[in-house]
Amino acid sequence: KQEVTQIPAALSVPEGENLVLNCSFTDSAIYNLQWFRQDPGKGLTSLLLIQSSQREQTSGRLNASLDKSSGRSTLYIAASQPGDSATYLCAPNRDDKIIFGKGTRLHILP
Amino acid sequence: EPEVTQTPSHQVTQMGQEVILRCVPISNHLYFYWYRQILGQKVEFLVSFYNNEISEKSEIFDDQFSVERPDGSNFTLKIRSTKLEDSAMYFCASSRMIEAFFGQGTRLTVV
Repeated sequence: KQEVTQIPAALSVPEGENLVLNCSFTDSAIYNLQWFRQDPGKGLTSLLLIQSSQREQTSGRLNASLDKSSGRSTLYIAASQPGDSATYLCAPNRDDKIIFGKGTRLHILP
Repeated sequence: EPEVTQTPSHQVTQMGQEVILRCVPISNHLYFYWYRQILGQKVEFLVSFYNNEISEKSEIFDDQFSVERPDGSNFTLKIRSTKLEDSAMYFCASSRMIEAFFGQGTRLTVV
């Protein structure tokens, strides 16, 4: 059974800082891994998708890496802004089932 | 840009009633999912659906729940005899096997 752990659970930093959000998962036989953003009371927005054969993906100020063999992924946010405040969810996908971690609740202080 | 659409956005129902949550997946997608998120908790997998049948389901998805694709565009989740603990946000998602896209959710409140 896939278990996903995200560290830290919460993070509050002043704007402009570069951030690292960590994700680990127990079952490394995954097809791909997605990072999502969730604003309070809202849906899930896909930020980045890394396929199992890839090591990283970049979109703007976001960069995600994947080390499938060790069951880890990292989301790097450069030059954080107050608009980045949200919960970030790591979600490995295997066998038609995406399993979510509890997320990292991020608060960027202006 | 294509998106997953869920209706209603909020539903209030009395305990013991049946509810149907509706989803319109992205049109060329093949895999469909339902998830739920109880307030303050993590997003939990309920069921995945492919080729007109359930491909995976969690232990949460018991006989109280059912899914259906009644026509070529809709995907529904039926909850029979709702309980207070069914109050949650329910998310529908679809994919073409790679990237999954989620709807904005239906907030179900059981009173």
